[in-house]
Amino acid sequence: QSALTQPPSASGSPGQSVTISCTGTSSDIGGYNYVSWYQQHPGKAPKVMIYEVTKRPSGVPDRFSGSRSGNTASLTVSGLQSEDEADYYCSSYAGSNTLLFGGGTKLTVL
Amino acid sequence: QLQLQESGPGLVKPSETLSLTCTVSGGSINSNISFWGWVRQPPGKGLEWIASIFYTGSTYYNPSLKSRLTISVDTSKNQFSLEMNSVTAADTAVYFCARLTGYSGDYFDYWGQGTLVTVSS
Repeated sequence: QSALTQPPSASGSPGQSVTISCTGTSSDIGGYNYVSWYQQHPGKAPKVMIYEVTKRPSGVPDRFSGSRSGNTASLTVSGLQSEDEADYYCSSYAGSNTLLFGGGTKLTVL
Repeated sequence: QLQLQESGPGLVKPSETLSLTCTVSGGSINSNISFWGWVRQPPGKGLEWIASIFYTGSTYYNPSLKSRLTISVDTSKNQFSLEMNSVTAADTAVYFCARLTGYSGDYFDYWGQGTLVTVSS
């Protein structure tokens, strides 16, 4: 098992949209509909923003959306706001009740 | 509202065993829709899934750490625990306990605040 691949950084201006990618393999992202995305502010616990590729938990703004194409999942944040500045991690089920995380992407709101 | 709280020593010596406990409140650990797990984050680095457990005692481990890990559950205390032996400085991290839900526990929806464990002599 290898960690999922994310770009180390992403940025956008307030009001713009930004997309963060997460690349895995057919044994994880491409093999199951179980990709999740987490937002983490400094010194805080992660918070789930997307689960099962496209689903949003109650309370998460609809500015956050998830998608997948083949072995790559994506998180799109629309209408960027200053409070969206955080680290974002993808995660995927990898079979046999195991999980993988991505290396994380630092999102900067310019 | 479900709450999780990690507890355990903040400093462990190299080659010794790291022991952490997670106390669950506001809900029962005896849930057939929940798994319980541990995630760690070395300072300035990313998240790593360590292990998960179902209330029945079924356990699941990160293959890269499996040989050093034991995860267990105490339903009478509404707690689950992690032991990691033969620790080194590379095991220094913030350790989070969390609830997993979804198919076979595929995502974390409730997290503890995390506890920093430093491995140093």
